[in-house]
Amino acid sequence: EVQLVESGGGLVQPGGSLRLSCVASGLTFSRFWMTWVRQAPGKGLEWVANIKGDGSVRYYVDSVKGRFTISRDNAKNSLYLEMNSLRVEDTAVYYCARWDYGPDYWGQGTLVTVSS
Amino acid sequence: DIVMTQTPLSSPVTLGQPASISCRSSQSLVHYDGNTYLSWLQQRPGQPPRLLIYKISNRFSGVPDRFSGSGAGTDFTLKISRVEAEDVGVYYCMQTTQFLTFGGGTKVEIK
Repeated sequence: EVQLVESGGGLVQPGGSLRLSCVASGLTFSRFWMTWVRQAPGKGLEWVANIKGDGSVRYYVDSVKGRFTISRDNAKNSLYLEMNSLRVEDTAVYYCARWDYGPDYWGQGTLVTVSS
Repeated sequence: DIVMTQTPLSSPVTLGQPASISCRSSQSLVHYDGNTYLSWLQQRPGQPPRLLIYKISNRFSGVPDRFSGSGAGTDFTLKISRVEAEDVGVYYCMQTTQFLTFGGGTKVEIK
């Protein structure tokens, strides 16, 4: 059974930084693209970033380019999202998901709150 | 960017009756490899999204057969043949033909 468990969320001030982690089990992690998707409180879903299985290719939504970095450690079955220069509008639940034809298996999410 | 538009915003349904959700994309979702990467997600209250349907009409692992998807090009539909109480939630279409964009969501609730 595929399981994805996110951690690292919390309260941070505008301009601050946070690093999210996602540990995967039940899959051959290095074979899959992985993705981060976020959901602002009471709002819809927004794709944030993707990373190829070997980490060689990364894509980002325009609103986070230059501020967020997606990475992975296949030896630890782990996916990361380094978030810098955080803004109030980055407040959301952040989900990691495995990508096959698109996001298929999703984690439970971790809440990031950016507020002073 | 491909824009996904869902209708209706809300769908009150009687238990045991069918429900239908439409999704329209701003451009064709046919990929250069010939596939159409249109999927449907369900998000129950307080839960993460769950994949129901991928590539228009393929049910994901463990999804009941009362859920079905259809469509082509830019117009797609999710149907629930007989709504059950556990189907309450928000349903999203999403395209992965060109990166990833989501529809705005349709709330399914019981009358």
